[in-house]
Amino acid sequence: KQEVTQIPAALSVPEGENLVLNCSFTDSAIYNLQWFRQDPGKGLTSLLLIQSSQREQTSGRLNASLDKSSGRSTLYIAASQPGDSATYLCAVYYNQGGKLIFGQGTELSVKP
Amino acid sequence: GAVVSQHPSWVICKSGTSVKIECRSLDFQATTMFWYRQFPKQSLMLMATSNEGSKATYEQGVEKDKFLINHASLTLSTLTVTSAHPEDSSFYICSAHTSGIPYEQYFGPGTRLTVT
Repeated sequence: KQEVTQIPAALSVPEGENLVLNCSFTDSAIYNLQWFRQDPGKGLTSLLLIQSSQREQTSGRLNASLDKSSGRSTLYIAASQPGDSATYLCAVYYNQGGKLIFGQGTELSVKP
Repeated sequence: GAVVSQHPSWVICKSGTSVKIECRSLDFQATTMFWYRQFPKQSLMLMATSNEGSKATYEQGVEKDKFLINHASLTLSTLTVTSAHPEDSSFYICSAHTSGIPYEQYFGPGTRLTVT
């Protein structure tokens, strides 16, 4: 079964800390992996897309890595800010099935 | 980046009525669109995959007669919730992807449906 798992489910950190969110997936045959941000009651904002041939992608304070062999991805957020508080979702586009499979998300709270 | 819109952004309806939600790709042609629903504090659950000009493919457990999906053009897909009940209250999100790799999906802002 194609699954995506995110750990931890919730995370609270003080402002300024660097943090890592984890995502694991069960099948290494993927087209890509996307990280999204979702604010309460809102839609999804795409943060980073990593193709299966890539190892990492960076955008500002965000860095996402991909290790297909181990079925893992991490989202690194540097110098966290209260405005980073949101739910972060990892989604994998598997070769088989033609659809995105979402993890359950990590709810991040950055305290001022 | 590509933009996907949804209309309405929120809707309240009475039990037993039908509600239509539109999903549009504004600046690209989307041969495939997806419909998700999301309950509070939960992740997105794929309901169906919609291909332009053909019948939608529904995920296991999703009632196709209750959630009617139409993808009549390359820029518009609609989801109609028929005979809505309070348990259908949820956040409905659509997405679309461009044809071919990298299959990046672009998401709409979502529609909050409340059935009273």
